[in-house]
Amino acid sequence: SQTIHQWPATLVQPVGSPLSLECTVEGTSNPNLYWYRQAAGRGLQLLFYSVGIGQISSEVPQNLSASRPQDRQFILSSKKLLLSDSGFYLCAWSFLPTSGSVADTQYFGPGTRLTVL
Amino acid sequence: AQSVTQPDIHITVSEGASLELRCNYSYGATPYLFWYVQSPGQGLQLLLKYFSGDTLVQGIKGFEAEFKRSQSSFNLRKPSVHWSDAAEYFCAVGLPFPNDYKLSFGAGTTVTVRA
Repeated sequence: SQTIHQWPATLVQPVGSPLSLECTVEGTSNPNLYWYRQAAGRGLQLLFYSVGIGQISSEVPQNLSASRPQDRQFILSSKKLLLSDSGFYLCAWSFLPTSGSVADTQYFGPGTRLTVL
Repeated sequence: AQSVTQPDIHITVSEGASLELRCNYSYGATPYLFWYVQSPGQGLQLLLKYFSGDTLVQGIKGFEAEFKRSQSSFNLRKPSVHWSDAAEYFCAVGLPFPNDYKLSFGAGTTVTVRA
């Protein structure tokens, strides 16, 4: 069976400091990988997705970046955090859809609570 | 564009009472539909999904949902709510090619269970 891990679970960082959040998936190959953010009381915002190693697409302009150095590893980074980067960050994975199909189930990790002070 | 609407931001229900959460979608073809649940401070957990076939779908934790094409709805129900069902619930629709990597999520409905 597949599992998804995120760490750290909680992080408190000062404004202007760097960020690195990590997500790994076990038990599958070539997954689609996603980073979402939930601000307090808000819904899910898709930040980045990746269909393969080194292939990153950004959904919204922002202070963050993502990388996929290995097939089942997805990293969210920032060089200098802003107050507005605070939130709950979720990583998710899905199977690759076949051509002409529809997006399939996404499976979510436990999340990282980031507080920028 | 495909979209999902959850009309109820917050619902309060008594323990043991029934629960229904509404979800409406805007989509041209037969959609892939999902319900997720998020407990405070946790990730999202898949409750159930509809791809095709029987329009009444059974999920985990005693939940079910009914797809009604004529009403563009995919409402979630539970006959008897437990205190542990207090959480936020998200409805989602799978987008078609070329956006077939993406789910479109509703804004969520927060469920409070009172004793």
